[in-house]
Amino acid sequence: DADVTQTPRNRITKTGKRIMLECSQTKGHDRMYWYRQDPGLGLRLIYYSFDVKDINKGEISDGYSVSRQAQAKFSLSLESAIPNQTALYFCATSGEGSGANVLTFGAGSRLTVL
Amino acid sequence: GNSVTQMEGPVTLSEEAFLTINCTYTATGYPSLFWYVQYPGEGLQLLLKATKADDKGSNKGFEATYRKETTSFHLEKGSVQVSDSAVYFCALSRGGANNLFFGTGTRLTVIP
Repeated sequence: DADVTQTPRNRITKTGKRIMLECSQTKGHDRMYWYRQDPGLGLRLIYYSFDVKDINKGEISDGYSVSRQAQAKFSLSLESAIPNQTALYFCATSGEGSGANVLTFGAGSRLTVL
Repeated sequence: GNSVTQMEGPVTLSEEAFLTINCTYTATGYPSLFWYVQYPGEGLQLLLKATKADDKGSNKGFEATYRKETTSFHLEKGSVQVSDSAVYFCALSRGGANNLFFGTGTRLTVIP
C-alpha cells in the first residue's frame, strides 16, 4: 500500500458543486499538507496541519476548506467548485525536525470543473 | 521574498547524454535546497537535498551543489537513462515544509 493515498484519483464535476478530496497516510506523521499543481506554476500550498487540532492557511486557501479527522486523515473541500479550480491536487505528509522538509506525496487527484 | 527559478523545458536528451537543469534562488538568510522528481502518474518524491553552502546532494547518479555565491543549485547527471524521464522541481525551504517554495518544474524526456 502507498504511504499516502488520495481518493478520488480523477473527478469531473460541474460549477457550483461541492467536492471533497480525501487523503490518508500510513507514515505516522503529524504534519499534512494540500498542494495544487497547475502547468507553469509549480506547486502551491493550500492548507497545512501540524496536528489534529492545528489547521493553517497556505498561499492560496480562498475557495477551499479542510478537515483533519484524525492523525492519518486530511480532507480538502471545495464548497462551490468553479472552473479555475481545475487542477491536479496533491496531499503530502512530513515528519518533524530534520525531516520537516522531506515531503511524501500522494499520487494526486485530478479535478476538472466544467 | 523567497523564490526559485528553474530553466524552462521541455528538455529532450538521448540516452547516456549529460544532463544539467539550472536552478537559481532568491531567499533571505540561509535556505535549504531540494530537488524533487515527479514520474508520470505519480506524486513528487525527494531526489536530493543540501542544507548549507557548498554541500553536495546526490542520489541515483544525480548531483547538485549548493552555491551561495551564485545562489544556484543546478542538477546534473553524467549519463541519463530512459527511466529518468520525469518532471524535476527545484525547491527551497526557510523552515518547515509550510515554507517550501517550488520552481515551475522542468520536463525531461530521454529517448533511446
